[in-house]
Amino acid sequence: EVELVQSGGLVVQPGGSLRLSCVATGFDFDDYTMHWVRVRQAPGKGLEWISLITWDGDSTLYADSVKGRFTVSRDNSRNSVFLQMDAVRSDDTALYFCATDENPYSKSRPEYWGPGSLVTVSP
Amino acid sequence: SYVLTQPPSVSVAPGQTATFTCGGYNIGLKGVHWYQQRSGQAPVVLIYHDTYRPSGVPDRFSGSTSGDTATLTISRVEAGDEADYYCQVYDNHSDQVVFGGGTQLTVL
Repeated sequence: EVELVQSGGLVVQPGGSLRLSCVATGFDFDDYTMHWVRVRQAPGKGLEWISLITWDGDSTLYADSVKGRFTVSRDNSRNSVFLQMDAVRSDDTALYFCATDENPYSKSRPEYWGPGSLVTVSP
Repeated sequence: SYVLTQPPSVSVAPGQTATFTCGGYNIGLKGVHWYQQRSGQAPVVLIYHDTYRPSGVPDRFSGSTSGDTATLTISRVEAGDEADYYCQVYDNHSDQVVFGGGTQLTVL
């Protein structure tokens, strides 16, 4: 059974940094692209894809809203994926999900999702 | 960048049919996926690659695409279907995963 365990919620000041982690079990982690998706807490805000990293770590992609501030990485020896968030802003306040891609060696859609990590950016 | 357009809300009475649209240029060529999300919870995939339904998803949920519009249909709507519904594609041109803005379902 696929399980994704995410690090707990965090409060960080504007301009600060934090690192989210996601540990995977139940599948061949090093065969799968991993995604990060967030949903902001403000009314009217929906799902926003923010990053992916391919199975081998050779390719990373970012949404324009986080490019240059966030960095995704993975450690296949520890079945883990990370999201380094730098220069955070108030509009980065959101629930952040890690998710597997649907098939090995693909970049298509999130399939299995973690429970989310709540990030609050506040002075 | 590629844009997916969804109406912000849909309201329907129990037992009726709810229809969710998702507009995007040549969306029928991309492979559309649909998710249900309840507040504070992880999304759940309802339909993938336009029409396929994962095991465990009731057959009340169905998907279709035509031209620039993808559609998710929920038949015999139940109170428990109240949630937000999102469409999603992978845009090879920009190399990004793209979500629509989501549609909130209200069961009257």
